[in-house]
Amino acid sequence: DQQVKQNSPSLSVQEGRISILNCDYTNSMFDYFLWYKKYPAEGPTFLISISSIKDKNEDGRFTVFLNKSAKHLSLHIVPSQPGDSAVYFCAARRASGGTSYGKLTFGQGTILTVHP
Amino acid sequence: DAGVTQSPTHLIKTRGQQVTLRCSPKSGHDTVSWYQQALGQGPQFIFQYYEEEERQRGNFPDRFSGHQFPNYSSELNVNALLLGDSALYLCASSLRGGSGGYTFGSGTRLTVV
Repeated sequence: DQQVKQNSPSLSVQEGRISILNCDYTNSMFDYFLWYKKYPAEGPTFLISISSIKDKNEDGRFTVFLNKSAKHLSLHIVPSQPGDSAVYFCAARRASGGTSYGKLTFGQGTILTVHP
Repeated sequence: DAGVTQSPTHLIKTRGQQVTLRCSPKSGHDTVSWYQQALGQGPQFIFQYYEEEERQRGNFPDRFSGHQFPNYSSELNVNALLLGDSALYLCASSLRGGSGGYTFGSGTRLTVV
């Protein structure tokens, strides 16, 4: 039961252009969403997050959009840089007070390659 | 300020053996979670420890067990290893409930032969 899905295994973008990574979820109890970046031989590094009470959160070149009705979120990177090349994971967490609070459910990841 | 430290970085074990992986959380964090990341997949939640007790558990068999010590460090034990246990094992630390975010270690690469 894959509750968080990233349907694009890979994405290739030219330097300076926009990268859009997508994520879908099925569990309506999720109320907090995170994006992580992972380089080989390193652990996931937190990138940006969004609460379900918002539909957009921005941090520098990174913007996350949340569409609750569609159970869909996306990460926009503008402009893309070669150093952004990594695996990007979408993760979700349930609302506080539930037995799953604190547990992160991850998608399968999307490999982003930014070409110079 | 040290982040999350995991040891060892790599490990090769034989089927049927037992393994212990170790994790030291980020300074100030009191909660440790363990994840298994198979090749080409996202991390899968194994369990979470807080106040030296297992608080949540994912869909993993009882062969997977853990411990948290008074200094908040943690161990993951896997008994009767199977080939399918080969994966990257990630430790994440946080404050109780995940407020302030989750910090991941670089992981332990376990290979079962």
